[in-house]
Amino acid sequence: GEDVEQSLFLSVREGDSSVINCTYTDSSSTYLYWYKQEPGAGLQLLTYIFSNMDMKQDQRLTVLLNKKDKHLSLRIADTQTGDSAIYFCAETPDNYGQNFVFGPGTRLSVLP
Amino acid sequence: EPEVTQTPSHQVTQMGQEVILRCVPISNHLYFYWYRQILGQKVEFLVSFYNNEISEKSEIFDDQFSVERPDGSNFTLKIRSTKLEDSAMYFCASSELPGQGSNQPQHFGDGTRLSIL
Repeated sequence: GEDVEQSLFLSVREGDSSVINCTYTDSSSTYLYWYKQEPGAGLQLLTYIFSNMDMKQDQRLTVLLNKKDKHLSLRIADTQTGDSAIYFCAETPDNYGQNFVFGPGTRLSVLP
Repeated sequence: EPEVTQTPSHQVTQMGQEVILRCVPISNHLYFYWYRQILGQKVEFLVSFYNNEISEKSEIFDDQFSVERPDGSNFTLKIRSTKLEDSAMYFCASSELPGQGSNQPQHFGDGTRLSIL
């Protein structure tokens, strides 16, 4: 079955850039997503990328997709303490109503 | 901005009892989903629902579980005869039916934390 993997922990200093990586196995993945989960809260959609794109930028967030290597990354520029959270990578094929496959989440800790 | 809302935020139930988790999806959305996240583990898909019927369900979604859209706004997950291992955070999500050849992200609620004693 499909699998999505992420490193579990990342620590950065405030003001530095964070790069969170994700790999997936499903070659039919068409949409890839990044969600943020703050403590005790739900999943907040950050951004998503269609598989025919290599890069997408949205303010401090940059998503890079290497479809050949099935590797997705999320770069957060000028990381702030408010960015501390768990970041989930998720993928889905291009079918209506299909479920997402989530990675285990990367816990980002931003140190002052 | 429209949100998916879930109630209650925390539900404590005795093992063996039935529990109903409630969700109000975003009003113009047509696809609805339930996921669960056992503490410290991955978010797992349970079921998707469209046009008043289940579109897809995972192995987790066995006869113990059922979903319903009892009216035009609510979407519920019922768990019969709860077990200790049902303790988890349950997330509801919804998405707008997209146009042909595209997709729309799912918007998640804040979750209901279910604790089975």
